[in-house]
Amino acid sequence: KNEVEQSPQNLTAQEGEFITINCSYSVGISALHWLQQHPGGGIVSLFMLSSGKKKHGRLIATINIQEKHSSLHITASHPRDSAVYICAVPPRRGAQKLVFGQGTRLTINP
Amino acid sequence: EAQVTQNPRYLITVTGKKLTVTCSQNMNHEYMSWYRQDPGLGLRQIYYSMNVEVTDKGDVPEGYKVSRKEKRNFPLILESPSPNQTSLYFCASSLETGGHTGELFFGEGSRLTVL
Repeated sequence: KNEVEQSPQNLTAQEGEFITINCSYSVGISALHWLQQHPGGGIVSLFMLSSGKKKHGRLIATINIQEKHSSLHITASHPRDSAVYICAVPPRRGAQKLVFGQGTRLTINP
Repeated sequence: EAQVTQNPRYLITVTGKKLTVTCSQNMNHEYMSWYRQDPGLGLRQIYYSMNVEVTDKGDVPEGYKVSRKEKRNFPLILESPSPNQTSLYFCASSLETGGHTGELFFGEGSRLTVL
C-alpha cells in the first residue's frame, strides 16, 4: 500500500512569505491530488497533476514522478490561505481509490 | 451550479438506530466515494463507486453499506451505528473513473455523533 508522508505537519508564517509544503509517497502512481480544507471543514480540490507543474493564481504544484515527490507552493501568502493542505495518491498504480496524507496545517499571521 | 450535496450536515443519534446519509451530484459524474475524517487519522476511504450498480470497498468499510441505483446518488447507510462511527463524513465525485485521474468535488461534510 502506498504510504504518503507530508511535511511539515504544522507551519506558521507571516503574511507575504513564500510557502512550501511537501508530499512524498512510496509507490509509483499516475496522478496526485492536492486538497485544501478550511477551518469550517469543507474540502476543495486545488490540483490534480501527473507530471511537471501546474499554477493557479498564487498556488503552484509540482511533481517529480521518478522521485515520488510533490510540492505545493504558495507565493505572497495571505491569512486567508490558512487551512489544512492534504495530498492524496492511489495506493498503487491503477488503483481506483485514494490514500491521504495526514495534512499540513498552515497558519498565516497578518 | 456544479455541486455535491450531502444531508444531513449534522446528526446526533443513538447506538443501533439505522441512519442514511445522502449524497447527490449534479455533474453526471461516474465516480463517487465516501470518506471519513478523524483526528489524527486523516481522511480514509469507506466505499467508492465507478458507475451505477458498481461499488467496492475502500479501506474502512466495516459497519457501512452503500448503493448506487442512480448515477447522481450514492447514499451511505449505517445499519446499526456505534460510537466508533462518530466522525466527519465526506462524499466526493469525479468525472473520471477512479477519481485519481480527475478532479474531485467534495460535499460540505456531515458531522455524525453516535451516543
